[in-house]
Amino acid sequence: SQQGEEDPQALSIQEGENATMNCSYKTSINNLQWYRQNSGRGLVHLILIRSNEREKHSGRLRVTLDTSKKSSSLLITASRAADTASYFCATVGNQFYFGTGTSLTVIP
Amino acid sequence: EAGVAQSPRYKIIEKRQSVAFWCNPISGHATLYWYQQILGQGPKLLIQFQNNGVVDDSQLPKDRFSAERLKGVDSTLKIQPAKLEDSAVYLCASSLHRDSGELFFGEGSRLTVL
Repeated sequence: SQQGEEDPQALSIQEGENATMNCSYKTSINNLQWYRQNSGRGLVHLILIRSNEREKHSGRLRVTLDTSKKSSSLLITASRAADTASYFCATVGNQFYFGTGTSLTVIP
Repeated sequence: EAGVAQSPRYKIIEKRQSVAFWCNPISGHATLYWYQQILGQGPKLLIQFQNNGVVDDSQLPKDRFSAERLKGVDSTLKIQPAKLEDSAVYLCASSLHRDSGELFFGEGSRLTVL
């Protein structure tokens, strides 16, 4: 069974706005990763946060992790039309499990 | 550096027929994964290899799906006989080793079962 659940399932914003998506999971993890998938393509790794980290930044991406609540969030700042894609969290313990995904649409 | 290669990109078959997908991971990557992604859902792990040994195949429908990774490099995933619900994208991914962090994905093989 899949480990993570993302919300919202779909998000539509204007270019320049920030996009926030959340991931909740059920069991203990070593790290949590976020991936992006453009339509009809494979997944591309965005960022990894370890279980002993609370926040991490990479360019316009900010990830937080709360292991007590078993949740993570991905913030994309100053969104661009090219950010339109599906975003998945992946929880990594003994195995790699992906969540259900958030479909982000950035309107130019 | 060459990425993960998969073929074919698209395949259409009728139910009860068989199909095989091929994956060539990034050179030197010991860990290889096959995922099934049904439209609108997240990838579901089917099988994980460490070199040529199976680490996890708990979600592989073994009555119809099989996978092998001979010599710890290329891998094939076979479905026989196919059912309508097998229509999905089959994604192959690799990582340097089991605990190395990120996965590198191929473009996927899209299967349509009629």
